[in-house]
Amino acid sequence: NAGVTQTPKFQVLKTGQSMTLQCAQDMNHNSMYWYRQDPGMGLRLIYYSASEGTTDKGEVPNGYNVSRLNKREFSLRLESAAPSQTSVYFCASREGGPNNEQFFGPGTRLTVL
Amino acid sequence: DQQVKQNSPSLSVQEGRISILNCDYTNSMFDYFLWYKKYPAEGPTFLISISSIKDKNEDGRFTVFLNKSAKHLSLHIVPSQPGDSAVYFCAVYPPVDRGSTLGRLYFGRGTQLTVWP
Repeated sequence: NAGVTQTPKFQVLKTGQSMTLQCAQDMNHNSMYWYRQDPGMGLRLIYYSASEGTTDKGEVPNGYNVSRLNKREFSLRLESAAPSQTSVYFCASREGGPNNEQFFGPGTRLTVL
Repeated sequence: DQQVKQNSPSLSVQEGRISILNCDYTNSMFDYFLWYKKYPAEGPTFLISISSIKDKNEDGRFTVFLNKSAKHLSLHIVPSQPGDSAVYFCAVYPPVDRGSTLGRLYFGRGTQLTVWP
């Protein structure tokens, strides 16, 4: 089991460029999440998908879009990158039900110049 | 507004001593709390959790204490080891999310623990 995988690991963009961050999980989890982590800010939820075919906004959704491609894959898209989107992005997944934790991927470090 | 607050950005402890990391929360309806540990260049990993029906949960060297009246929880690591050096995040599920597929976690800002020999 690879768990949660993310690609790419690192990316540098220029302001205005677009890109898609990929996430996949092999644990057959229904729910998937995208977070960003900024220095001193903890992890903040960008978007989540409670089940295949559904997506919803989290705390900081502006400037992002998501696609739940199938049960395994959940992608995050930046249409027009801005320096404020420089961050480390984490994908996570979870099986629904009480007392279930989220499992995180290794992260994508994104720099927008 | 932050749902959970970790007011100490850093903590430095000598190997073998106790590390105590603190977390406060704002909503008395919260009923399930988690601690995550994060090493540099890795994703967070689940460490330990506690439900509001308990006031203590232990797992080896790690113990979490919950004080519901004070809306406060703490993570104790005894004895601390250099490999425990990491950022520790306190997190909470809103009550409506915990047993459902929503499962939206709210994180504190983290405490960097450094354990020195």
